[in-house]
Amino acid sequence: GEDVEQSLFLSVREGDSSVINCTYTDSSSTYLYWYKQEPGAGLQLLTYIFSNMDMKQDQRLTVLLNKKDKHLSLRIADTQTGDSAIYFCAESIGGTSGTYKYIFGTGTRLKVLA
Amino acid sequence: GAGVSQSPSNKVTEKGKDVELRCDPISGHTALYWYRQSLGQGLEFLIYFQGNSAPDKSGLPSDRFSAERTGGSVSTLTIQRTQQEDSAVYLCASSPGTSKGSKQETQYFGPGTRLLVL
Repeated sequence: GEDVEQSLFLSVREGDSSVINCTYTDSSSTYLYWYKQEPGAGLQLLTYIFSNMDMKQDQRLTVLLNKKDKHLSLRIADTQTGDSAIYFCAESIGGTSGTYKYIFGTGTRLKVLA
Repeated sequence: GAGVSQSPSNKVTEKGKDVELRCDPISGHTALYWYRQSLGQGLEFLIYFQGNSAPDKSGLPSDRFSAERTGGSVSTLTIQRTQQEDSAVYLCASSPGTSKGSKQETQYFGPGTRLLVL
């Protein structure tokens, strides 16, 4: 079945790099996404990667995709206290009538220690 | 332009009452989605709209839940006879379109409505 898994917690020191991992099961996914949710807020789109790419870099964010292992990671360089949030991985897969739907992971709570 | 907005931001109700949650998508976005996020949990898909029609209602938890969208814009999610287990954050998202394999898939989220059923 469709499933996206993430570790629940990650703690890093300010200035270090953070790596948040995600595994998914559906090989037909087209786009894979990372969203950030701060306390009491909705989800903010951070970045996405098309399924035929291996890597995408956007300022402090680097997304790596291993299609063979169905593994996605988000690396945050020089992590700041403002990066403390829950990070959700999501994949878009074929839904009904030729459209698609999102499958979200349970989220990884990143805590940045000063 | 403006992002996705939702109202109310918070709602407290008594068990058994009906509630109506509203979502205003980004102007021009044809697809609209409702999700539920329970405390400490991930996102649970409820329903999505393409225009005014809802091709996929598979996520609605029970017949107490319904949603509609009018004019291809605003959507309302109605929960009848609310139960305590309905307490959650209800998130709405919109995307430009739903054609598979295009950037039209990217969803943009609203801030959510926090529902508490006493």
